[in-house]
Amino acid sequence: EAEVAQSPRYRITEKSQAVAFWCDPISGHATLYWYRQILGQGPELLVQFQDESVVDDSQLPKDRFSAERLKGVDSTLKIQPAELGDSAMYLCASSLGQGVIGDTQYFGPGTRLTVL
Amino acid sequence: GQNIDQPTEMTATEGAIVQINCTYQTSGFNGLFWYQQHAGEAPTFLSYNVLDGLEEKGRFSSFLSRSKGYSYLLLKELQMKDSASYLCVPLTGGFKTIFGAGTRLFVKA
Repeated sequence: EAEVAQSPRYRITEKSQAVAFWCDPISGHATLYWYRQILGQGPELLVQFQDESVVDDSQLPKDRFSAERLKGVDSTLKIQPAELGDSAMYLCASSLGQGVIGDTQYFGPGTRLTVL
Repeated sequence: GQNIDQPTEMTATEGAIVQINCTYQTSGFNGLFWYQQHAGEAPTFLSYNVLDGLEEKGRFSSFLSRSKGYSYLLLKELQMKDSASYLCVPLTGGFKTIFGAGTRLFVKA
């Protein structure tokens, strides 16, 4: 069964350092999502791609976060510099394509980031 | 605005039936998803409803009433492994998914 891949699974860093997360969506999925989930809360959308284009990054803290999906397949999310409040689970999800009724998002295992 | 209302926590006994209710308000509506999320893991898809009525899938069933802005997830024959958070996720008219904090279900022996 096809799955969304993410790496690393766990990342510990010190504040002010740079971190990067990678996501490989399910083959053929045009839409890719990055979420941040703080313990006890629901996932918060950071950025959404349709192929290689950003369609929603309204909640992305652009002074420190960046995301790219250069060839419309895999994607990287970067934080520089990391802050203590960035400690969270970073989830990647993919779906066939936004705008389709019933377009289901499938999530990867996530990256647990701890900032010390 | 967008709003989802689910109980924060529920407790049920192994072997029992539990119903998790969800009311929502969205700008337009294109269906509603239910996801299960175990502690420390990613959400996994359970069901999708776009028409009114009940959809049954094994031990899990999901119901939707669009006119009432209401859905529920029904879990039968509860097992300990069903202890998890359950997320009610409406899809807006603009095809955006709205995630809330969900309902934490504790299943006790």
